[in-house]
Amino acid sequence: GESVGLHLPTLSVQEGDNSIINCAYSNSASDYFIWYKQESGKGPQFIIDIRSNMDKRQGQRVTVLLNKTVKHLSLQIAATQPGDSAVYFCAENKGVQGGSEKLVFGKGMKLTVNP
Amino acid sequence: EPEVTQTPSHQVTQMGQEVILRCVPISNHLYFYWYRQILGQKVEFLVSFYNNEISEKSEIFDDQFSVERPDGSNFTLKIRSTKLEDSAMYFCASSEFTSGSGDEQYFGPGTRLTVT
Repeated sequence: GESVGLHLPTLSVQEGDNSIINCAYSNSASDYFIWYKQESGKGPQFIIDIRSNMDKRQGQRVTVLLNKTVKHLSLQIAATQPGDSAVYFCAENKGVQGGSEKLVFGKGMKLTVNP
Repeated sequence: EPEVTQTPSHQVTQMGQEVILRCVPISNHLYFYWYRQILGQKVEFLVSFYNNEISEKSEIFDDQFSVERPDGSNFTLKIRSTKLEDSAMYFCASSEFTSGSGDEQYFGPGTRLTVT
């Protein structure tokens, strides 16, 4: 397995529990935020996004909350399943109007779901 | 469902050699990106490409790196003279358009580059 590089924070939950993964972003000019899931050996997979004119957005079993005052983003996963086990990254983007299309990724959190 | 594809999945090369990493973005997408992820670390932006030219690049993307869209479907990343520290997972991504406030970027499965 992977054993070098930054130590990833880890969240372990029981199957069926709700999970909350948090992220602090740094750029107050960012106006688009995305949560990605990355399984071992694969590319980041889009989960849900939110624009800065919203503070909450819901998808299937997932909810993203945005608090611009404290520059905080969270991902809530309801009824966590073993297939949710992965590393989760938040990413921010300033958009074309902000002068940048690049995604700036956070450090990631490893979610482990125990059956 | 359309997806971004990348080849090869794993490339091993000797230091100083040139490598070309290949990507086929989703067909109706207009923006293309390369990111890299050093083992165990976060994903880092390298370059974005639109309308046949680089629109933004990071400080990592120095003169050793270049990108090209040689035809209507491929998007390549070339590293002219690889260094040990270029060893990483390289991800290609594409997005449909920018609505002025970000758009979902779809990532490929990555190419693992190992420089020995």
